[in-house]
Amino acid sequence: AQSVTQLDSQVPVFEEAPVELRCNYSSSVSVYLFWYVQYPNQGLQLLLKYLSGSTLVKGINGFEAEFNKSQTSFHLRKPSVHISDTAEYFCAVSANNNDMRFGAGTRLTVKP
Amino acid sequence: EAGVAQSPRYKIIEKRQSVAFWCNPISGHATLYWYQQILGQGPKLLIQFQNNGVVDDSQLPKDRFSAERLKGVDSTLKIQPAKLEDSAVYLCASSPNGSPLHFGNGTRLTVT
Repeated sequence: AQSVTQLDSQVPVFEEAPVELRCNYSSSVSVYLFWYVQYPNQGLQLLLKYLSGSTLVKGINGFEAEFNKSQTSFHLRKPSVHISDTAEYFCAVSANNNDMRFGAGTRLTVKP
Repeated sequence: EAGVAQSPRYKIIEKRQSVAFWCNPISGHATLYWYQQILGQGPKLLIQFQNNGVVDDSQLPKDRFSAERLKGVDSTLKIQPAKLEDSAVYLCASSPNGSPLHFGNGTRLTVT
């Protein structure tokens, strides 16, 4: 089965600084990759997804991620963060469009 | 479109009691998922339905957890009897044909 490792449990960063949240996956088959964001007391909201095609994927709120098959990574980036980006971010992998597995999450804290 | 609806939002019970959660997916979404999210962890799949049939329940603790989706629309998840370690947020998600998933806001269960 596929699995996901998020390499950082917490990432503190100052407002307007760039940020990268790291995600590595393992799977014996082709996968689909996702990043979700979770604000306090809310469900998960899809930020972006990689299904096929271009390896650079742009999502909502200015986030983007790059699929790197050779390094089995799907890191999330934003060039300039805002206070409102403070949340929990989850990387997820799905094989054959089913059985989505989530990482443990990275808590992004943006400081003024 | 209306999102995934879950109720109740919060529930506090004592150990060994029973509890049930309800989920109404987005209209037309054939696939429905129940996830358990323990504090500080990523969501873990409990059960996946395709219409009213079970696709994957390999991680559902069947001695105490049960779920049904009788008419292929809304679903209930039950825990009987509850244990302290069942304290978590229970997330329902739906999708039209696999990924990506659309999540509800979850039910936060506290077992005392």
